[in-house]
Amino acid sequence: NAGVTQTPKFRVLKTGQSMTLLCAQDMNHEYMYWYRQDPGMGLRLIHYSVGEGTTAKGEVPDGYNVSRLKKQNFLLGLESAAPSQTSVYFCASSYSPGRTEAFFGQGTRLTVV
Amino acid sequence: LAKTTQPISMDSYEGQEVNITCSHNNIATNDYITWYQQFPSQGPRFIIQGYKTKVTNEVASLFIPADRKSSTLSLPRVSLSDTAVYYCLVVTDTGRRALTFGSGTRLQVQP
Repeated sequence: NAGVTQTPKFRVLKTGQSMTLLCAQDMNHEYMYWYRQDPGMGLRLIHYSVGEGTTAKGEVPDGYNVSRLKKQNFLLGLESAAPSQTSVYFCASSYSPGRTEAFFGQGTRLTVV
Repeated sequence: LAKTTQPISMDSYEGQEVNITCSHNNIATNDYITWYQQFPSQGPRFIIQGYKTKVTNEVASLFIPADRKSSTLSLPRVSLSDTAVYYCLVVTDTGRRALTFGSGTRLQVQP
């Protein structure tokens, strides 16, 4: 009963470094999403995927790339981290964007110094 | 998708009923209204979803008037553990839709 698992839970990066955040779900969901949440703010959609091999831009895609090579995994990449990307990142998955509920991971707290 | 508007914050006391209203004037025929709850340092979790009239589960009730241009999440007899941010979303399965969140309503329950 893992649900949605995010790796890592915490990370500190130096400006200009790169990293990949991994999201894994074991519910056979088609839709997967990456969000960022800044202190005191709501969730903003970065990228999402409607199925294996697909990706689409969300509200704030600049500075991030994603891949969905396997249905159960959705990777979020930062090629050259900037302090403005300091945030908490949440991954979610669902069967569909509408009638079914989305399940969220526990979040990844990323600090870029 | 229809834009949603909800109060930024609300305060309540333990044992009271809390009603959070969300407006979604441009809701479409195929859209559903969904509410999520988020505790500090956690991801949001689904609370309730409805299309019209009233929906009730073990956590909350959702009231949707006939014109569906607004909805009200009702939390009966809140406790301190209901302190959280509540998000109202308009969702649809039509097309390749993403799941987008607004700023939510920050509910603070006092003893």
